[in-house]
Amino acid sequence: GAVVSQHPSWVICKSGTSVKIECRSLDFQATTMFWYRQFPKQSLMLMATSNEGSKATYEQGVEKDKFLINHASLTLSTLTVTSAHPEDSSFYICSARAGTATNEKLFFGSGTQLSVL
Amino acid sequence: DAKTTQPNSMESNEEEPVHLPCNHSTISGTDYIHWYRQLPSQGPEYVIHGLTSNVNNRMASLAIAEDRKSSTLILHRATLRDAAVYYCILREAGTASKLTFGTGTRLQVML
Repeated sequence: GAVVSQHPSWVICKSGTSVKIECRSLDFQATTMFWYRQFPKQSLMLMATSNEGSKATYEQGVEKDKFLINHASLTLSTLTVTSAHPEDSSFYICSARAGTATNEKLFFGSGTQLSVL
Repeated sequence: DAKTTQPNSMESNEEEPVHLPCNHSTISGTDYIHWYRQLPSQGPEYVIHGLTSNVNNRMASLAIAEDRKSSTLILHRATLRDAAVYYCILREAGTASKLTFGTGTRLQVML
């Protein structure tokens, strides 16, 4: 199956710093990628839809200036958590669509555990 | 997105079949039924999906009710590696529709 690579797997940073997370589709092109966050013992919450060559679409309640998304190529989307604070500590997961209209699947990265001190 | 309802948790014995139910009474005619699972500390992985007919693949089988208002994911022989949270999700095909996760079913596999 298609592979989505997400880096880093974990990151610890000081409050006020910015953190960039990369999501790459390794063997397919992805015009659309999705970013999720997940708190312990909870389900995935969609943050935004990343579209290649255009602005991301953010879900209600997600600050676009806080969570900057860039999808500059068909294989790379990045999420930057700006001025991170302890409440931003979470598990961030990206995914990319692949397949045909009737056989479309989402492939997920392995996630990034962000801890803000 | 149409909503799905799943039990919060289920237990199974190793080497035995597991039937994970999902109710989706408000499903529309163009919604595909997708199943994903998430192992601890990992991103979700695709399991199976279908529209109307039952589906089989190397991981599992998907049984879809005739009225499509419910479905069942079948793991034929559960192993310890199948312990995960299983999500049943409806998704409209052919669009850039997003995948919205519910709470899923946490499957525990006992020795």
